[in-house]
Amino acid sequence: GDSVTQMEGPVTLSEEAFLTINCTYTATGYPSLFWYVQYPGEGLQLLLKATKADDKGSNKGFEATYRKETTSFHLEKGSVQVSDSAVYFCALSDGSASKIIFGSGTRLSIRP
Amino acid sequence: DVKVTQSSRYLVKRTGEKVFLECVQDMDHENMFWYRQDPGLGLRLIYFSYDVKMKEKGDIPEGYSVSREKKERFSLILESASTSQTSMYLCASSIPQGTGDTQYFGPGTRLTVL
Repeated sequence: GDSVTQMEGPVTLSEEAFLTINCTYTATGYPSLFWYVQYPGEGLQLLLKATKADDKGSNKGFEATYRKETTSFHLEKGSVQVSDSAVYFCALSDGSASKIIFGSGTRLSIRP
Repeated sequence: DVKVTQSSRYLVKRTGEKVFLECVQDMDHENMFWYRQDPGLGLRLIYFSYDVKMKEKGDIPEGYSVSREKKERFSLILESASTSQTSMYLCASSIPQGTGDTQYFGPGTRLTVL
């Protein structure tokens, strides 16, 4: 079945460092891809998404490009802030479009 | 803004008790979901509903049931709670759009079963 694999955490960076969180997926069709973020004590919220190959999703300085040839959707940010400390989930929607399959999450901690 | 609320942030129950977790959304969304979140496992879908009185099993429905009598409310029921059901429970809702529906999440209920 469809699945998502993302890099294990925790990831600890200094403020203003460059961030990459790797995500690869397995799917039989043409899924939509998402990054959700969970700040401490909160539920998940959508960070960005891409619905077809070569689309780039972006929000709050984060970017991810839907790469069909490498089945990847890596999350990047050029300069992280302490407020970016959170758990990040890569996800895909299956053929039904309404259901989402989540990766295991990557905890990110940013040092001042 | 979409708002999804859950009845409790923290809940402590005893083994064998019947437990009700309530979720309410205020944006007239057709779809509603219940997940459990465990460290290292991400989110796993328990049940979802795409309309009033309609429900479908997710990946881990065993030990759970659901009820959706009104469009805005989706309840998760643990018929006889066990310690293995200690977890964070997240509710979400969405509008079916055909491509990459965005799900909106509540803050979660951390359930401890003693």
